[in-house]
Amino acid sequence: AQRVTQPEKLLSVFKGAPVELKCNYSYSGSPELFWYVQYSRQRLQLLLRHISRESIKGFTADLNKGETSFHLKKPFAQEEDSAMYYCALSSGGGADGLTFGKGTHLIIQP
Amino acid sequence: DGGITQSPKYLFRKEGQNVTLSCEQNLNHDAMYWYRQDPGQGLRLIYYSQIVNDFQKGDIAEGYSVSREKKESFPLTVTSAQKNPTAFYLCASSRPGSGNTIYFGEGSWLTVV
Repeated sequence: AQRVTQPEKLLSVFKGAPVELKCNYSYSGSPELFWYVQYSRQRLQLLLRHISRESIKGFTADLNKGETSFHLKKPFAQEEDSAMYYCALSSGGGADGLTFGKGTHLIIQP
Repeated sequence: DGGITQSPKYLFRKEGQNVTLSCEQNLNHDAMYWYRQDPGQGLRLIYYSQIVNDFQKGDIAEGYSVSREKKESFPLTVTSAQKNPTAFYLCASSRPGSGNTIYFGEGSWLTVV
């Protein structure tokens, strides 16, 4: 069975400091990994996905198959980054849904 | 305005009553999903549907039922058999070729008293 683990329920950093939200997964096949973000009073939305290899709002994430990780990073945190972040995995088969981690609440202190 | 619309946003029901949450999308997506979001639990998949008139159980389907009579609609019924129905429910959809990207509605808060 596939599983996504986000070890930190809460992460608090100061503005301007680097941020790393950890995500590890277990899946026997070739997964597709995503990061979703939920800002206060807004709907859950896609932040980035590994197949795009893009940087969104200064965030990047690299899929490390050896370590089965997909950590989310940003070199300089901004106050508007405060939100809930969810790592998610798709088995790649198509439309059978995503498996989500339990989420990390990121708080950026001024 | 395109997107996924869930209604109602807030709903209160007495224990023992069935309740149906509505989800409509005008994105022409084939697949639709229902997730439940609880504090500290993340999102858990209840049911999903890849095409009209077909749906599959997710990880926590017990006590829930769905239908998919139209492509744009995927209502969720929370039955009296669901032991802990108070939660935040999220509807979502996706289309083939979108890299499995799933788009979410704003959610419905259900409180059972």
